[in-house]
Amino acid sequence: DQQVKQNSPSLSVQEGRISILNCDYTNSMFDYFLWYKKYPAEGPTFLISISSIKDKNEDGRFTVFLNKSAKHLSLHIVPSQPGDSAVYFCAASASQGAQKLVFGQGTRLTINP
Amino acid sequence: DAGVTQSPTHLIKTRGQHVTLRCSPISGHKSVSWYQQVLGQGPQFIFQYYEKEERGRGNFPDRFSARQFPNYSSELNVNALLLGDSALYLCASSARTGLGGELFFGEGSRLTVL
Repeated sequence: DQQVKQNSPSLSVQEGRISILNCDYTNSMFDYFLWYKKYPAEGPTFLISISSIKDKNEDGRFTVFLNKSAKHLSLHIVPSQPGDSAVYFCAASASQGAQKLVFGQGTRLTINP
Repeated sequence: DAGVTQSPTHLIKTRGQHVTLRCSPISGHKSVSWYQQVLGQGPQFIFQYYEKEERGRGNFPDRFSARQFPNYSSELNVNALLLGDSALYLCASSARTGLGGELFFGEGSRLTVL
């Protein structure tokens, strides 16, 4: 039972354009959402998070949007840079679940020069 | 500043053997979590420990166990290894037990079971 889904295994975007990564979830108890970035041979690195009381959170080039009614969130990267090429994981948690994060399968983002 | 360190980085075991993986959290962090990442999938939660007490357990068999020491380092033990236990095992530390504080991940221990 995949509670967090990233339906696009890969995404290719031209440098300078917008990258949009999508994530869907099924568990209505989830109330905190995070995005992690992972380079090869490194552990995941925290990127940005959003609480269910918000619908948008912005940090520099990264913005996360949350649509609770659709159980959908997205990560926008503007402008995309070659260093953004990595695997991006969406994760979710229920507040009573301590630090138990449920991850999606990941989307490999490639930024082309 | 040292990040989360894990050892060993790579290891090969055979079915039925036992393995111990170790994790040292970032200095000052009292919470340690373990995740299993199978190839092509996202990390899956195994355990969380905070102040040496188990705070959460994922859907893993009893062959998996963990503990946290007074210095907040942690061990993950897996008994009676199966081929399906081959994965990258990630340790993450945090200053708090709840969310709101981000998790900092180590580079992982890659276990291959033959």
